[in-house]
Amino acid sequence: ELKVEQNPLFLSMQEGKNYTIYCNYSTTSDRLYWYRQDPGKSLESLFVLLSNGAVKQEGRLMASLDTKARLSTLHITAAVHDLSATYFCAVDPIETGNQFYFGTGTSLTVIP
Amino acid sequence: KAGVTQTPRYLIKTRGQQVTLSCSPISGHRSVSWYQQTPGQGLQFLFEYFSETQRNKGNFPGRFSGRQFSNSRSEMNVSTLELGDSALYLCASRISGGQETQYFGPGTRLLVL
Repeated sequence: ELKVEQNPLFLSMQEGKNYTIYCNYSTTSDRLYWYRQDPGKSLESLFVLLSNGAVKQEGRLMASLDTKARLSTLHITAAVHDLSATYFCAVDPIETGNQFYFGTGTSLTVIP
Repeated sequence: KAGVTQTPRYLIKTRGQQVTLSCSPISGHRSVSWYQQTPGQGLQFLFEYFSETQRNKGNFPGRFSGRQFSNSRSEMNVSTLELGDSALYLCASRISGGQETQYFGPGTRLLVL
């Protein structure tokens, strides 16, 4: 059974601190996506990682992909309150095609 | 460019009834996927349509069905509603598939009483 696991599930951090969210997946996939969801809202696309070693950065967020380890990370630098949200990773395995498998989500709260 | 739209946004039904949800993808997007989101099960894939054909189906009972029209708009139907069907139903579109991200609509929140 294909699994996409994120840790931690809940993260409370102070403003200005750094932290990393991990996404492990059990299938062969070179396509990894990160999304953000605010409470009561839909999902917003953050990053698309399409190859081993891919790194993308936007503001205080940086995502990377290691397909050999089946691991993606979302690194938060100098967190601010506006980053409080739930973050999901998702894979789109080649063998299933066009079917996204989402991680459990990481609920991030940034405390002033 | 207009985003993905879903109607209705909120819905209350009773057990045994059926419901139809609608999704209009971003203009030019031909792939539409549906997801169910619940606190217990998270985000689960229902099905994906491309050019009016179901390309992929998740592990849901036959009570869940969908279709796509020639203008790429999609509908999903749930028959004989159960309490456990209460969820946020999200629609997502992308141009065709492959290495593209999906763009999500605001969702339809369904409550089954």
